[in-house]
This record gives sequence, C-alpha cells and structure tokens, in this order.
Amino acid sequence: EPEVTQTPSHQVTQMGQEVILRCVPISNHLYFYWYRQILGQKVEFLVSFYNNEISEKSEIFDDQFSVERPDGSNFTLKIRSTKLEDSAMYFCASSVGTGRGYGYTFGSGTRLTVV
Amino acid sequence: DAKTTQPNSMESNEEEPVHLPCNHSTISGTDYIHWYRQLPSQGPEYVIHGLTSNVNNRMASLAIAEDRKSSTLILHRATLRDAAVYYCILRDPSDTDKLIFGTGTRLQVFP
Repeated sequence: EPEVTQTPSHQVTQMGQEVILRCVPISNHLYFYWYRQILGQKVEFLVSFYNNEISEKSEIFDDQFSVERPDGSNFTLKIRSTKLEDSAMYFCASSVGTGRGYGYTFGSGTRLTVV
Repeated sequence: DAKTTQPNSMESNEEEPVHLPCNHSTISGTDYIHWYRQLPSQGPEYVIHGLTSNVNNRMASLAIAEDRKSSTLILHRATLRDAAVYYCILRDPSDTDKLIFGTGTRLQVFP
C-alpha cells in the first residue's frame, strides 16, 4: 500500500537553529499538509499546500515556518529559528483530492527535539 | 466548526466487537463524518468516512443515525493491534480542507 515517507524519524537541534523536515507524499496525490502534536496534546493543523502554494495555514504557522515542494516529489517544512516550544511530532499528510470526503494519508512523523 | 463528543476511553477484549460512539448534534447537511485512529507512536490513520448511509470497508463499519446527530464506528472483531486513539471528525469540504482533531477515544484491547 502506498505510504507517505518522512525523514528523519528523530531530529535533535539547538534552539535558534534552522531545521528542515522532509516528506515524500504519495505520488499521485495533489494536496499536502503538515500537522504537529506536542507530547500529550492534540494533533494540530499547521498548513495545507496545493498547486505550489499555501492554501490555508493556522495561527501556529508564523513567519518562522515555511513549506516548499522543491522537486515535484519532496515536500518540506522549514523552521527558521527553532524555539523550545517547537519540540513536537511533525506529521506530513497527502490527499488525492479535497472535497467530497477524501481521506488523508499520514506519515509516521518526525520527532523534533529542541534543546 | 461543528463539534464532536466522544468518550475519553473504552475497553474491549480481543475478538469481541467494539462500538465507538460519537455525538455531533450540530452537524450541518454538508458535513462528512470521518474517523481516524492513531496507534502508539504513529501518525493518524484514515479509517472510514460517510455522509448519510452506513459504510463498510475492510477496516471497520460506520453506522450513521438517521438524523445524523450521532454515529458509531464498529470494529467487528477487535485485535491487539486495534488499540489506539480513535478520532471522530466532521469535515465540510466546501469550507476548509483541514482536519480538526479532538481528544478522541482511547481504546484498550485486552487479550
């Protein structure tokens, strides 16, 4: 069964450093998303991306965050200057379509630890 | 956003059926009912979705009340691998593309 692949599985970084989280969505999917889950808390929406642009973003997704689909297969989340509170699991997801009740496929996540 | 209410936790024995309830009394006519689950240390996993009619797939069945104010996810024979947090989520695909996760129901399955 097709999978969404995320790398690395775990990243430790120092506060203030830049990190890039990588995702390879399912090849025929057109809609891409990032979510995060702080330990013990709910899964939270960060951003959705379609046709090479952001279609929706949450309040969490401030100027420190950016997304990119650099080569038609990878989908990346960059955090420019990490803070301690950015420590969380980050999940990438993709969907073949939107509307009419399409389901998402999520990756297994990247655990980001900011020290 | 329309809200859902789920019990915090439920328990089941292996190989028994499990009925996970969800209340969504403020559901609108265009909201789809989606179910996802999250196994320990994994990302959320799509389970099933429906609009008005009951739905079946290889993972589960979704029973939707006639007034659509509640629904039930049915696992026909629970396995240890079904231990997870189950989320009932309403989506109006014409409004927003994002999923809004609540706290879900933590299902424990005992051998």
